[in-house]
Amino acid sequence: ETGVTQTPRHLVMGMTNKKSLKCEQHLGHNAMYWYKQSAKKPLELMFVYNFKEQTENNSVPSRFSPECPNSSHLFLHLHTLQPEDSALYLCASSQGQGTDTQYFGPGTRLTVL
Amino acid sequence: GESVGLHLPTLSVQEGDNSIINCAYSNSASDYFIWYKQESGKGPQFIIDIRSNMDKRQGQRVTVLLNKTVKHLSLQIAATQPGDSAVYFCAEHIYNFNKFYFGSGTKLNVKP
Repeated sequence: ETGVTQTPRHLVMGMTNKKSLKCEQHLGHNAMYWYKQSAKKPLELMFVYNFKEQTENNSVPSRFSPECPNSSHLFLHLHTLQPEDSALYLCASSQGQGTDTQYFGPGTRLTVL
Repeated sequence: GESVGLHLPTLSVQEGDNSIINCAYSNSASDYFIWYKQESGKGPQFIIDIRSNMDKRQGQRVTVLLNKTVKHLSLQIAATQPGDSAVYFCAEHIYNFNKFYFGSGTKLNVKP
């Protein structure tokens, strides 16, 4: 266990649904990240939060909406997704932004029908 | 985007042999590198890291080599075990952007 948990582990949703992914870290870190992992592709950074403030939005479509209520919790709200959004969504945390090692959660396997 | 790639998408080795997984990077401003292991159904797991002021770093059964001249990174696993079967990918931190960029990964199959 890395100290980063994600729920749910699997999610199937229709294009008109609204759902949320949750991430929690128990490491006392200050930075949290959302990544998208598609088959045979490198990890794609989506959002970065540092001390609850969003510091990076990597040109992510507005149908993905992050929320970081505190340094330990991170959410990704999903609405009107497309089938091409099906992927593994990974949350990570690090002590700070920059070169601090990122520790990943197990991911949420999302399927959009 | 930045190019972080792996030379071999799949590597099959016999149990007990040594494994070498390679990674090429393109940015001379990269100052820090990490190797991750990702088993099926799990998130990436930190294995070993190396800073750009080093050429070699050893862990338990793993060694990372950095050749800055040709912008090449390798992960060596000694006495490969079935539990080493996973996808391995490298990540480079580019100083100018203060971000990590990840490779697409190499799948390591360990044959008993």
